[in-house]
Formats: sequence, structure tokens, C-alpha cells
Amino acid sequence: AQSVSQHNHHVILSEAASLELGCNYSYGGTVNLFWYVQYPGQHLQLLLKYFSGDPLVKGIKGFEAEFIKSKFSFNLRKPSVQWSDTAEYFCAVNARYSSASKIIFGSGTRLSIRP
Amino acid sequence: DARVTQTPRHKVTEMGQEVTMRCQPILGHNTVFWYRQTMMQGLELLAYFRNRAPLDDSGMPKDRFSAEMPDATLATLKIQPSEPRDSAVYFCASGLIGSYYGYTFGSGTRLTVV
Repeated sequence: AQSVSQHNHHVILSEAASLELGCNYSYGGTVNLFWYVQYPGQHLQLLLKYFSGDPLVKGIKGFEAEFIKSKFSFNLRKPSVQWSDTAEYFCAVNARYSSASKIIFGSGTRLSIRP
Repeated sequence: DARVTQTPRHKVTEMGQEVTMRCQPILGHNTVFWYRQTMMQGLELLAYFRNRAPLDDSGMPKDRFSAEMPDATLATLKIQPSEPRDSAVYFCASGLIGSYYGYTFGSGTRLTVV
């Protein structure tokens, strides 16, 4: 079964700082990988996804993530954060070729940006 | 933009009462998930459906929770009887297996059981 670990529970940064949120998954087969963002009081929104091809994926709002297969990692990055990036970020995985594939989420990382 | 619609947005109920939450998936999506979000447990997968058939509901307390898809435009999650520990935000998400576009979440139902 798949599982996802997000290393940082809460990250606090100043505006313009660079961001990297860690995500590692556990699954022996081929996976699809996602990052979702949840702004305060709102639902989850897809930030970016990796299905195949270039392991460096660019998403909305200047975010990107790199899939490193050998490390089972899919870390989220942004070169310069803004106050509006304050939110909770969830990494998720599903098994690509399983007919009963479900999406499993990590525990989330809360990002707080100091103005 | 196509969206997943959940009703009600908020529900306050007394312990022991029945609660029904509804989800209208995006037209054409063949996979529907129910998640529960709490501060303590994060996002927990309760159940999911593929082409209206339940694939996995192992995350759901069977004695009080039930999930159904009476038709392709409606998924329901029912709690009977409700308990204070059921207080959470319940999210529905839909998608198309194999789709490049991932899965879309609804706005959630915030349930408070007093």
C-alpha cells in the first residue's frame, strides 16, 4: 500500500525567502504524485502534478516540484515566497496502474509567511 | 469552471441525530472520494467509488457510517447516529481515472456534533 511522509509539520518563513517542503512516498510501483494547497478555511486545490516525463514539474503561482525516483521524493519548491502563500500544503500519491487506485495524502505542512 | 458541489456547507446537529452529506461530482468523472479532515488526524480517506461501485470503504466506521452513489450525479455520506468525535470537515473529490488533470475537491461540509 502507498504511504506519504511530509517531514515538516510547520514552516515559518519571511517574505522573499526560498521554500522547500519535503515529501517522500512509499510504494514499489509506478506512481502519480500531487501537491495540493489549502488556504485558510478553503478546500484543497491542485498545485501541480507529476504523471510522467520531465521530473521537474511547474505548477501554478510559481511553484515547482522535482520527482527523484531513486529517493522516492517529490519536494515542493518556490524561489521567493509571498505572504499570500500562507496555507497548508499536502503531498499525495496514487498507484498509476492499479485499477483500485486511491489517493493517499501526507499529514500536511503548514506554511506561515511573515510579512 | 467545472466544480464539485457539496451540501450543506455547514451542519450543526445534536449527538444521536442522523446526518446526510451530499456531493455532486463533476459530470463525466468516474471516481469519487470521501475524505474527513481533522486537526488531529489530518486527511483520512473514508471511502471511494469507481463507476458508482464502492471500491474501498475500509477507512469508515461501518457501524455508523455509510456511503452510496445512487446515481452518477450524486454521492452521499450518512452518519447514524452521529457522535461528537465525528465533528470534522468532510470533503468530496472527483476525477477521471487515468486523467492528466488530477482530482477536484469540493468546498467541504463542516460538521459539528454537540
